[in-house]
Amino acid sequence: GAVVSQHPSWVICKSGTSVKIECRSLDFQATTMFWYRQFPKQSLMLMATSNEGSKATYEQGVEKDKFLINHASLTLSTLTVTSAHPEDSSFYICSARGPGGTEAFFGQGTRLTVV
Amino acid sequence: AQKVTQAQTEISVVEKEDVTLDCVYETRDTTYYLFWYKQPPSGELVFLIRRNSFDEQNEISGRYSWNFQKSTSSFNFTITASQVVDSAVYFCALSEAKGASGGGADGLTFGKGTHLIIQP
Repeated sequence: GAVVSQHPSWVICKSGTSVKIECRSLDFQATTMFWYRQFPKQSLMLMATSNEGSKATYEQGVEKDKFLINHASLTLSTLTVTSAHPEDSSFYICSARGPGGTEAFFGQGTRLTVV
Repeated sequence: AQKVTQAQTEISVVEKEDVTLDCVYETRDTTYYLFWYKQPPSGELVFLIRRNSFDEQNEISGRYSWNFQKSTSSFNFTITASQVVDSAVYFCALSEAKGASGGGADGLTFGKGTHLIIQP
């Protein structure tokens, strides 16, 4: 159990376009989802926390108008990178947990390349 | 604020040697969770262990063992008889708990990771 699926696994887009990444919990209700970003050879940094039906809480330094997060159902959260630029190229990974859960389960990650 | 320090950027050992990856953490909370993850070149995070702050028992799982010492705020990871397949980046991470609110664990604060290279 506790499977989180992230789609797509990789995406290449042109500078100035928007890209949507999906994070789905397949066998549990994910009341909370987390989005992380990892630049090459660096650590993972928490970008935002989203609770189902509520606005996401962004970490300091993360632009909420650029990284739009929607968590409209208990099994799906989406991250949209708007007006992407080459510096947004990174590995984006989500995790999800159930109500009161002490552990969140990670998706496979999405490698975004902006050209 | 919480912080996780993995001072070893890269470790290289010969196969069959034992290797210990260090992790030191900082938190003001009394309830928190510590994790270790393995990240192979493909990028996905492989969960290895979770420890809550009230459980200081050390744990062994096959060739892997973990030493949790609250007195020194450390949560070190040892691989015994290392194998080439153990080569990866290993992350230590900390999550604080929202406790009585029932909100569950917060997002993770990761260390910078240790790149482990096991040479044949």
